[in-house]
Amino acid sequence: QVQLVQSGAEVKKPGASVKVSCKASGYAFAGYYIHWVRQAPGQGLEWVGHIFPNSGATHYAQNFQGRVTLTRDTSIDTAYMEMTGLRSDDTAVYYCARGDSPVPFDHWGQGTLVTVSS
Amino acid sequence: SYELTQSPSVSVSPGQTATITCSGDAFPNQFAYWYQKKPGQAPVLIIYRVTQRPSGIPQRFSGSGSGTTVTLTISGVEVEDEADYYCQSADSSGTYPVFGAGTKVTVL
Repeated sequence: QVQLVQSGAEVKKPGASVKVSCKASGYAFAGYYIHWVRQAPGQGLEWVGHIFPNSGATHYAQNFQGRVTLTRDTSIDTAYMEMTGLRSDDTAVYYCARGDSPVPFDHWGQGTLVTVSS
Repeated sequence: SYELTQSPSVSVSPGQTATITCSGDAFPNQFAYWYQKKPGQAPVLIIYRVTQRPSGIPQRFSGSGSGTTVTLTISGVEVEDEADYYCQSADSSGTYPVFGAGTKVTVL
């Protein structure tokens, strides 16, 4: 069965960087988009960006352009999201999700809590 | 960028019908999708391409669309349906996804 397993919770100081991983299994990793979505406390879902593992092509939401980098390692079926210049309002649960196109997202990881605090 | 506008909240008694709307200029050129989000859990896709239901999603969830508005209907609401519901679509190129702000469904 399709599974996306994310790395564990992170606590970072303002200005630091964080890298979250998303390990895929149960399907052909290269042929499906991996999306990243976040949910800050009390807020809604916010799309961060996506990568197509086969080509490595990426697209980012305007709010995250220049601050987020999405990468993948097809040898281990894993996608990564790195965010730099962390601020307190980046505190959120970050999800990876799979899709066979830019929309929709049919399977989701369990989420990774990133806390930014001094 | 563009936006999807959802009604902020809906309250309903068990067994009644909950209706959630989502409006946006992307419709009907782009499909609509709906997700259920419960606290501490990952979102679940419950409707795709406006009206289609993934396997395993109960029949009480249905979707429809008319012009620039799409609707999620939960018929015969159950206590377990209490959650936030998000609509989703894509920009005119189909490349950039967007979510609505979410609708909180409270089952009284």
